[in-house]
Amino acid sequence: GENVEQHPSTLSVQEGDSAVIKCTYSDSASNYFPWYKQELGKRPQLIIDIRSNVGEKKDQRIAVTLNKTAKHFSLHITETQPEDSAVYFCAASDTGNQFYFGTGTSLTVIP
Amino acid sequence: GAVVSQHPSWVICKSGTSVKIECRSLDFQATTMFWYRQFPKQSLMLMATSNEGSKATYEQGVEKDKFLINHASLTLSTLTVTSAHPEDSSFYICSARWGGATDTQYFGPGTRLTVL
Repeated sequence: GENVEQHPSTLSVQEGDSAVIKCTYSDSASNYFPWYKQELGKRPQLIIDIRSNVGEKKDQRIAVTLNKTAKHFSLHITETQPEDSAVYFCAASDTGNQFYFGTGTSLTVIP
Repeated sequence: GAVVSQHPSWVICKSGTSVKIECRSLDFQATTMFWYRQFPKQSLMLMATSNEGSKATYEQGVEKDKFLINHASLTLSTLTVTSAHPEDSSFYICSARWGGATDTQYFGPGTRLTVL
């Protein structure tokens, strides 16, 4: 089955700096890669996703890049704000019937 | 947007009792629903995938006789934790995926189960 690894597990940045979270996956059949943000005690919220036919996708301060050959994808947050502090999860899916999540990254943005 | 609800949001029960958790898609028909378990400060662990009208597919290591899943309609899936024990205490989250072109899944708010 799919194995998704995520790094780093914790990340602290100064407000205004950029944050990068990286994930690798093992199953070359995976073709859908969503990123979720989870605040303490709340449900995961989809923030951005990318499909395997696209190398990069951007939505305001958030961007995701995908390298299919190397089987890794990354989340980039620019101009970080304190409200960006949360746990971020990457995931990989092939058919949409099974999603495999990374171990999570706890991001702290220091004001 | 797509809304998924869960009920109850928090339940405390005695060891040996069974607990039912409901997951509903409020404004769309969910052909597939997922059940996850999340321990504090850990990732989401997929327990099972359920498709409306068919038996759930359980992940390796998840006891299907202990975690009973029923996806009776396109808007409702239930997870029953049978004969709950303290080690079953966890945060259970469901998600729903509609059968359109998107693979996006929408998460419920979660149910915190505490077994005494």
